[in-house]
Amino acid sequence: DAKTTQPTSMDCAEGRAANLPCNHSTISGNEYVYWYRQIHSQGPQYIIHGLKNNETNEMASLIITEDRKSSTLILPHATLRDTAVYYCIVVHGSGNTGKLIFGQGTTLQVKP
Amino acid sequence: KAGVTQTPRYLIKTRGQQVTLSCSPISGHRSVSWYQQTPGQGLQFLFEYFSETQRNKGNFPGRFSGRQFSNSRSEMNVSTLELGDSALYLCASSLGDSSTAFFGQGTRLTVV
Repeated sequence: DAKTTQPTSMDCAEGRAANLPCNHSTISGNEYVYWYRQIHSQGPQYIIHGLKNNETNEMASLIITEDRKSSTLILPHATLRDTAVYYCIVVHGSGNTGKLIFGQGTTLQVKP
Repeated sequence: KAGVTQTPRYLIKTRGQQVTLSCSPISGHRSVSWYQQTPGQGLQFLFEYFSETQRNKGNFPGRFSGRQFSNSRSEMNVSTLELGDSALYLCASSLGDSSTAFFGQGTRLTVV
């Protein structure tokens, strides 16, 4: 599975959009990009995933570049409860969501 | 639908003892994966079970073992506990066919 690179930490003002980048330059054609977040030692929470098209759900939007080498997770109106570690993970399409390889993630601090 | 349930939530054991942790997956999910999270090593994959068979294994010593029952519930066992085994142990379940994995809240194990 392709490796991912994320900034170690980011700040965001409450109510503003939080844009979390992820680089996955070695991603191959059938690999998905998954995003999870972990709030202070709770279990990781699934946010969103995508293959090549942009995706949106009730939590966030995922923007994947045309060459698929990077992506951005967007939290449109960040709240204090969005403070967490965000993980970007690349998963092979044939399906090993049973084996997720976590990096260090991005610690997002939402400030009042 | 109930989420992934892990028991117990907290556990304190003495060095040299053994421990068994339990994970009940989301109804209908056949894949159960286990992860260890420590401050130093982050989130690391232990193993995955699918239909009562170990499908993937991470790089952990043989003291760490698991099994899965016919109802998809899984247990993880750690024998001869060491201080370094103190960690948050997380379980995730999925349908097993490249579908999204969902995590439980974890079991916090402290070895003294």
